[in-house]
Amino acid sequence: EVQLVESGGGLVQPGGSLRLSCAASGFTFSSYWMSWVRQAPGKGLEWVANIKQDGSEKYYVDSVKGRFTISRDNAKNSLYLQMNSLRAEDTAVYYCARAFLSGIAGHWFDPWGQGTLVTVSS
Amino acid sequence: SYELTQPPSVSVSPGQTARITCSGDALPKKYAYWYQQKSGQAPVLVIYEDSKRPSGIPERFSGSSSGTMATLTISGAQVEDEADYYCYSTDSSGNHRGVFGGGTKLTVL
Repeated sequence: EVQLVESGGGLVQPGGSLRLSCAASGFTFSSYWMSWVRQAPGKGLEWVANIKQDGSEKYYVDSVKGRFTISRDNAKNSLYLQMNSLRAEDTAVYYCARAFLSGIAGHWFDPWGQGTLVTVSS
Repeated sequence: SYELTQPPSVSVSPGQTARITCSGDALPKKYAYWYQQKSGQAPVLVIYEDSKRPSGIPERFSGSSSGTMATLTISGAQVEDEADYYCYSTDSSGNHRGVFGGGTKLTVL
């Protein structure tokens, strides 16, 4: 069974840092793009970042560029999101997801983890 | 920045057909994907590449796309289909940066 389990969320002050982890199992982790998607409380979904199988390509939503870094360790079947200079508007549930590419015409996420809550507040 | 537009809400009675639309300028060249999110749960993929249904998704879920609009159709909606539905796609500049629509709350009662 494919499983994704996020961890590392919590309460952090504005300007602080946090590192999220996502443990993958049930599939060949090194063969897939991986992604982070977030959801602010009571709001919609927002794509955050994608990373290629070998980590050589990374893409970010504009609002987190320069502050967040997506990375992976294929030997540990793990995905990470290093979040620095956190702001109140980064408060959200963060989901990791396995990604599939539709050639050059798009990509999708399946499955998703259950998410980890990040709260940025003083 | 690129945007996908969905109606905030759709309401149908059980057994009726529900249609949720998603409009975006790049949809003629990019696929639309649809996710279902029930209260307190992680999203689940229900349609990929405009019209393909993943295994395990009931046949009443279908998707289509024409021009700048993609549509998720639930034929014979059930009470258990009540959820938020999000479309997702990428903009015309590439394939690796995506955007979700604002979401549509489907009420079945």
